[in-house]
Amino acid sequence: EAQVTQNPRYLITVTGKKLTVTCSQNMNHEYMSWYRQDPGLGLRQIYYSMNVEVTDKGDVPEGYKVSRKEKRNFPLILESPSPNQTSLYFCASSLEQGRADTQYFGPGTRLTVL
Amino acid sequence: AQTVTQSQPEMSVQEAETVTLSCTYDTSENNYYLFWYKQPPSRQMILVIRQEAYKQQNATENRFSVNFQKAAKSFSLKISDSQLGDTAMYFCAFANAGNMLTFGGGTRLMVKP
Repeated sequence: EAQVTQNPRYLITVTGKKLTVTCSQNMNHEYMSWYRQDPGLGLRQIYYSMNVEVTDKGDVPEGYKVSRKEKRNFPLILESPSPNQTSLYFCASSLEQGRADTQYFGPGTRLTVL
Repeated sequence: AQTVTQSQPEMSVQEAETVTLSCTYDTSENNYYLFWYKQPPSRQMILVIRQEAYKQQNATENRFSVNFQKAAKSFSLKISDSQLGDTAMYFCAFANAGNMLTFGGGTRLMVKP
């Protein structure tokens, strides 16, 4: 089944404790991105990747890191989480960048930083 | 930078009736794409409908259709014969040729039996 998976689905952590949210897709998509969803703000893009080893900042990159060592994986790293990073996070992928292909979303990760 | 505005935070409709969700956007680009995504209580983001800006014909997908007014930068979603399963958060989104999605703040739709 074609899908985007994220782990964990739920995470409660404390300020300053490094964490990684994994994202994997099995559709051989080139383009992957991370969004955060906050009430009233819709989804905002954090980082995106056009292909392996190519990443770039979205609208709200502060406090986040990403890497794209393999085509299928695009982990989101919070080196020192803070309470303002409490949010719902989505990973998405699409066939390629530059054609506005439909993006397929993962199931979301609910993160709470205390 | 593009902006997407959904002016209706919440709406409700009776089952089997028709409802229209509004969306306006601002951009200086000529080639772009517009989307409506549905987010049910499961939180999954589901593509409802997609419109290419260069196409004059409004997109339709079963009970879902759009009214795309390029000059007015308006992109409304019409849901006909509303069903209880349509209850969800709906997001309008804009994508430029680089595939960067910009979302509106969302409209929460409640379908009442």
